[in-house]
Amino acid sequence: SQQGEEDPQALSIQEGENATMNCSYKTSINNLQWYRQNSGRGLVHLILIRSNEREKHSGRLRVTLDTSKKSSSLLITASRAADTASYFCATSGGGRALTFGSGTRLQVQP
Amino acid sequence: DAGVTQSPTHLIKTRGQQVTLRCSPKSGHDTVSWYQQALGQGPQFIFQYYEEEERQRGNFPDRFSGHQFPNYSSELNVNALLLGDSALYLCASSSDRVTGELFFGEGSRLTVL
Repeated sequence: SQQGEEDPQALSIQEGENATMNCSYKTSINNLQWYRQNSGRGLVHLILIRSNEREKHSGRLRVTLDTSKKSSSLLITASRAADTASYFCATSGGGRALTFGSGTRLQVQP
Repeated sequence: DAGVTQSPTHLIKTRGQQVTLRCSPKSGHDTVSWYQQALGQGPQFIFQYYEEEERQRGNFPDRFSGHQFPNYSSELNVNALLLGDSALYLCASSSDRVTGELFFGEGSRLTVL
């Protein structure tokens, strides 16, 4: 079963706009990660935020974490057509496995 | 530096058959995890291998088994295939010394007819 849920399930925007994806999870975590997956291919790690952090930046990516609400958001600024992909959040608890959400499909129109 | 490599990339089997998928981890990594991703879903954890032993297992039946070799490469075996086993099987490697990101291969797409 999935640990969390991403919202929205699908998002379509124009190039240059910002894209925001949200993730909710159910249990306590050590860290939360975001991954990107181009259609039918492997996942690529984007960013990791630890449970004691509230915000983290990496290039055009900004991630926030609210452990009291068990939620995270991923913001992609100034989106490009090449950002079209599925985005997954994944949580790590006490074990070593990652538990993934169901993903947000982002379509960036040129 | 080669990343995570998986083989085969695609395969078709029939119900009841057995399949073996292979994974070579990224250079310097000693831990291999396997995930199953059904169409339109997020990956689900099958198991993780470290030092040639299964260290953690997800909610998958015993039909799913694995192995890790001394060179850290790994195999995933699935017996008595069911239609519902059709999925993308992803291998991910990491270093036991570093808690954090996983490096994924491109996956093996299994279709069970």
